[in-house]
Amino acid sequence: EAGVTQFPSHSVIEKGQTVTLRCDPISGHDNLYWYRRVMGKEIKFLLHFVKESKQDESGMPNNRFLAERTGGTYSTLKVQPAELEDSGVYFCASSQTGPVSPLHFGNGTRLTVT
Amino acid sequence: AQTVTQSQPEMSVQEAETVTLSCTYDTSESDYYLFWYKQPPSRQMILVIRQEAYKQQNATENRFSVNFQKAAKSFSLKISDSQLGDAAMYFCAYISKNKIIFGKGTRLHILP
Repeated sequence: EAGVTQFPSHSVIEKGQTVTLRCDPISGHDNLYWYRRVMGKEIKFLLHFVKESKQDESGMPNNRFLAERTGGTYSTLKVQPAELEDSGVYFCASSQTGPVSPLHFGNGTRLTVT
Repeated sequence: AQTVTQSQPEMSVQEAETVTLSCTYDTSESDYYLFWYKQPPSRQMILVIRQEAYKQQNATENRFSVNFQKAAKSFSLKISDSQLGDAAMYFCAYISKNKIIFGKGTRLHILP
């Protein structure tokens, strides 16, 4: 089976610009998660989708971040406008029945805001 | 609030030797799960081992085993017969009520 794919793998943008990250979960996985890891710090939860609904978005840092999951398939995470502190690696993960079933991670998108 | 602490940012071990990565957590929940994830240099994180809090028996997966001390809230990972392919970032994770909390990670180096 195809794994979780994320696009792009790297993105370098200037402060104030907009970036959209995409995540394609494993087919059939209703649960989709976004995480972010800033260099040297722990992986932080951003939000959790169950199908197309946001189950928990308590980790979203502010309203510059917008996540969607149209039709319960792929998900996008848009940052607008980007700030320097948004730099980091954004991971997407999916699972069949919530996080207690194994999470399948994508390779991550490394975002650099200059 | 739940927290996960990995006190060793980096560790090194000689190939074929045994190494233990430490993880402690803080929670008031009684029902939770603990995981160790591994992120090799290729960046994709993969599950190494999981432990249900209600199980007293320590989980094992081939060369990987855990020492789960529920009262002490400790969940260390032991890697036996270390191999070069074990070199990676290792993340301890706590999961309860659909919320996952990761530690900062431990970078493990394998010395040939």
